[in-house]
Amino acid sequence: QQPVQSPQAVILREGEDAVINCSSSKALYSVHWYRQKHGEAPVFLMILLKGGEQKGHEKISASFNEKKQQSSLYLTASQLSYSGTYFCGTVVGGSNYKLTFGKGTLLTVNP
Amino acid sequence: GAVVSQHPSWVICKSGTSVKIECRSLDFQATTMFWYRQFPKQSLMLMATSNEGSKATYEQGVEKDKFLINHASLTLSTLTVTSAHPEDSSFYICSARGQQGARLGETQYFGPGTRLLVL
Repeated sequence: QQPVQSPQAVILREGEDAVINCSSSKALYSVHWYRQKHGEAPVFLMILLKGGEQKGHEKISASFNEKKQQSSLYLTASQLSYSGTYFCGTVVGGSNYKLTFGKGTLLTVNP
Repeated sequence: GAVVSQHPSWVICKSGTSVKIECRSLDFQATTMFWYRQFPKQSLMLMATSNEGSKATYEQGVEKDKFLINHASLTLSTLTVTSAHPEDSSFYICSARGQQGARLGETQYFGPGTRLLVL
């Protein structure tokens, strides 16, 4: 089942912060975050595993609330290069591995 | 990090012809590879999952006779779009996952994608 992302789009000025949310109605095993720039493939940012382990980007952080099946991606002191569409992908626990993506959040960082 | 390559990066073909897309994991062994399709301004939709040496598992609504997937080795998977039609025009992206439990086992790395245009 497709996770729900919010907001659908956000516009920032360089240096501002943003939070992108991802939620699922299913119990999750892991949450994955990717950024995709126009015409390019998604680039891996972060993975959050059930149990608290995180692996990912130096300047981008994320949280995973296992009880609520929610994850948030925190973009602080945004840079122009942060612009793109952010996708969360979820893997449901107790099932065969399948990464299902949300509809994406379009982030635009202006000078 | 892990690198996944895809070839070709774009292809234009006539309706009715077949197109083969290759996906390779360059610096790790991919026990599982995935094929996605993405239409403009939409999310990535999983088409099929393939494990090395076994038949691919297709998602509901994806025609397995039209989209042939072969995962011949731990570093190579191919997608063949047979008898392509204009509605098959899309951005096809492969992804690879390492062995579960290994350092890269939990992460999917994406190739650069192949843009297919069927005339």
